[in-house]
Amino acid sequence: DAGVIQSPRHEVTEMGQEVTLRCKPISGHNSLFWYRQTMMRGLELLIYFNNNVPIDDSGMPEDRFSAKMPNASFSTLKIQPSEPRDSAVYFCASSFLDSNQPQHFGDGTRLSIL
Amino acid sequence: AQTVTQSQPEMSVQEAETVTLSCTYDTSESDYYLFWYKQPPSRQMILVIRQEAYKQQNATENRFSVNFQKAAKSFSLKISDSQLGDAAMYFCAYILPGTASKLTFGTGTRLQVTL
Repeated sequence: DAGVIQSPRHEVTEMGQEVTLRCKPISGHNSLFWYRQTMMRGLELLIYFNNNVPIDDSGMPEDRFSAKMPNASFSTLKIQPSEPRDSAVYFCASSFLDSNQPQHFGDGTRLSIL
Repeated sequence: AQTVTQSQPEMSVQEAETVTLSCTYDTSESDYYLFWYKQPPSRQMILVIRQEAYKQQNATENRFSVNFQKAAKSFSLKISDSQLGDAAMYFCAYILPGTASKLTFGTGTRLQVTL
């Protein structure tokens, strides 16, 4: 079975540019999570969706960050405009709605904002 | 606030030896689930083992086992017969039951495996 698929794997761009990260969850999973990992803050939950509906976006750092899940098989995390402090590894994870089930992570996108 | 504490930023173990990584958590709930995730240099987050809080029996997955002490809110990971491939960051996490499946992670322990 294919796992959680994230693209791109690496992204380098200049500050001020729009960045879009993509995620395809595991087929059948109905919860999707976006995390950010940095040395300073560790793993932070940015936002999560249940059945394509955003449930908690309190972890989204600023209005420059937005996330969408137009259907059960696709989600995007957008940063506009990007800043150097947004540089991090961004993970997408998915799971079944039941919290007994573990979250399965994608390979992450390493984002570097110059 | 719900928190997870991993007090060992780094640990080292010799190949074939046993190492224990500590984790404590703070929640007022009585029902929850606990997980250990492994993150090797490839940066994948890989589920190692999980434990249901209502089960007294400690979970075991091959060379990995946990020591779950509910009263002490402690959830340590024991790796037996350590292998070079075990070198990674290890994250402890828990989640409360319900439809809001929000994992709370610790800050991680970096495990080195030496020859």
